[in-house]
Amino acid sequence: DGGITQSPKYLFRKEGQNVTLSCEQNLNHDAMYWYRQDPGQGLRLIYYSQIVNDFQKGDIAEGYSVSREKKESFPLTVTSAQKNPTAFYLCASSIKRSYGYTFGSGTRLTVV
Amino acid sequence: QQPVQSPQAVILREGEDAVINCSSSKALYSVHWYRQKHGEAPVFLMILLKGGEQKGHEKISASFNEKKQQSSLYLTASQLSYSGTYFCGTEGDTGNQFYFGTGTSLTVIP
Repeated sequence: DGGITQSPKYLFRKEGQNVTLSCEQNLNHDAMYWYRQDPGQGLRLIYYSQIVNDFQKGDIAEGYSVSREKKESFPLTVTSAQKNPTAFYLCASSIKRSYGYTFGSGTRLTVV
Repeated sequence: QQPVQSPQAVILREGEDAVINCSSSKALYSVHWYRQKHGEAPVFLMILLKGGEQKGHEKISASFNEKKQQSSLYLTASQLSYSGTYFCGTEGDTGNQFYFGTGTSLTVIP
């Protein structure tokens, strides 16, 4: 079955460390997205990519970086520059803009 | 630019109906609706495109009034499985900006 796989499901990071969250899709979707969700709040866009080797910053890109070397993969790195990284991170994909999003199951990142 | 949803929270008994509203200050091209259960990823429900259409399946439907820049999600004869947080997502009529709404928590009780 097609879908989006995010790993790990839970991640603990020490302050000052960079961590990379994996996102892989086998839906053959062109567009991929990273969202951050804080408790009781909505989803805020970190980065998005509409084609391979191209990506754009979302509303809260500071302290994050991404790459899109393959259509199937869109990893997110949370750098030490992100001062408050504890959150639920969701990866999504869509055929293209203006189509519904399919979400992965998410990664819950906690800074310890 | 984030669309505003109302109400923020609603509690229903099984079988009752609910309406969730999504309002934007910008002209819209499309509106998405998603449902998220606690600790899980959002699940796509439907998308409505510019043109004032109404869509739905079974007991969940939605309308889109592009002149008012509003969309409404209708849940009829609610079931326990309808519980969760509902988000609208809006895409502007100019450019590629897409924003999720503030969310509406819906709880269905027996």
